[in-house]
Amino acid sequence: GENVGLHLPTLSVQEGDNSIINCAYSNSASDYFIWYKQESGKGPQFIIDIRSNMDKRQGQRVTVLLNKTVKHLSLQIAATQPGDSAVYFCAENISNFGNEKLTFGTGTRLTIIP
Amino acid sequence: DTEVTQTPKHLVMGMTNKKSLKCEQHMGHRAMYWYKQKAKKPPELMFVYSYEKLSINESVPSRFSPECPNSSLLNLHLHALQPEDSALYLCASSQVEGMLQPQHFGDGTRLSIL
Repeated sequence: GENVGLHLPTLSVQEGDNSIINCAYSNSASDYFIWYKQESGKGPQFIIDIRSNMDKRQGQRVTVLLNKTVKHLSLQIAATQPGDSAVYFCAENISNFGNEKLTFGTGTRLTIIP
Repeated sequence: DTEVTQTPKHLVMGMTNKKSLKCEQHMGHRAMYWYKQKAKKPPELMFVYSYEKLSINESVPSRFSPECPNSSLLNLHLHALQPEDSALYLCASSQVEGMLQPQHFGDGTRLSIL
């Protein structure tokens, strides 16, 4: 399944399939991006990050792709599991004279169907 | 389990009460953050502390007063709050501000204002 931009805040995927969550960020000066997973009743949990001088980064079962030309970020989760069900936020960081400000996207709720 | 510990987990207070939220981390991080998260919304930055000094205040009303007594502790003092201040308050920390490192979040304090 694929979520295009922020217009579809929910995404349902069959267990074992791959999922793609998309995010459009706003500021071309953003230099660092993070994906977080937030389960019910918990704080955001770091998944993976990428700096603006890269276009792809891989972790365990997750890949982040960055397209600076169109200001687009995506999170790919391979072989989804029930524990992947959560709300996923992208966050963009803007550095200004040593200060950092992290701004979160609106989030996508991912539901894994057993 | 998160390495950022927030207490209490839940807090109910009246509009005339004074209370404090506490956050603690022992990862040696020198940047600490307060965020506010309303239901089904992304976290929004309130304050940033860097090396125990306030570096960012996102125009937060004075009824919220942050304090960083040492590099491991961050408090948020609350006084004369309004019902619209009911939210999940999240604390986060990162190694050093401005170094493009991920922020690690606690599980938050769920605050209800009567």
